[in-house]
Amino acid sequence: KNQVEQSPQSLIILEGKNCTLQCNYTVSPFSNLRWYKQDTGRGPVSLTIMTFSENTKSNGRYTATLDADTKQSSLHITASQLSDSASYICVVSAGGTSYGKLTFGQGTILTVHP
Amino acid sequence: DAGVIQSPRHEVTEMGQEVTLRCKPISGHDYLFWYRQTMMRGLELLIYFNNNVPIDDSGMPEDRFSAKMPNASFSTLKIQPSEPRDSAVYFCASSFTQVETEAFFGQGTRLTVV
Repeated sequence: KNQVEQSPQSLIILEGKNCTLQCNYTVSPFSNLRWYKQDTGRGPVSLTIMTFSENTKSNGRYTATLDADTKQSSLHITASQLSDSASYICVVSAGGTSYGKLTFGQGTILTVHP
Repeated sequence: DAGVIQSPRHEVTEMGQEVTLRCKPISGHDYLFWYRQTMMRGLELLIYFNNNVPIDDSGMPEDRFSAKMPNASFSTLKIQPSEPRDSAVYFCASSFTQVETEAFFGQGTRLTVV
């Protein structure tokens, strides 16, 4: 069964600090991995998309890494801001006969305190 | 483009009633996804369409749930009869044919069945 596991479930940090969120997956065949940010009461918004051949991708203060061999990804947030408080969801897109199907992690709830 | 548009934003209904959720995907997107999000289970894929054709409906929980996409610009998710455990936020998302592009989410419909 395709699964995506995220850790930690929740995280509290002070404004200005860095943090790293983890994502492990078993989706096969693999097409790409995405990180989404979901603010309370809104739909998820894409931060990065990484394919099999990409190891690192940045979007401003967000940097995602991907190790396709170990099926692990991380999302690093630098110099956190209060607006970073949200749920961060790791999503893996399948290939092959399940082309286009997305499997979601449970998300990490990040709270940034002043 | 206004993005993925869902209606209604909020729906409160009595158990046993029929509920219809609506979605207008982004013009030109070939994939449309319906998701359900709860605190306990996170985001779950219910069904997705490619070029208006249902590809995978294995996530539809019961026969009470049905989805249609009569044309490229409109889809519905129907629950009949509704039950309290159907209470959740239902998201619609769409994306281009190429899987390596992000899926854009609507604002969601918060359904409460009392």
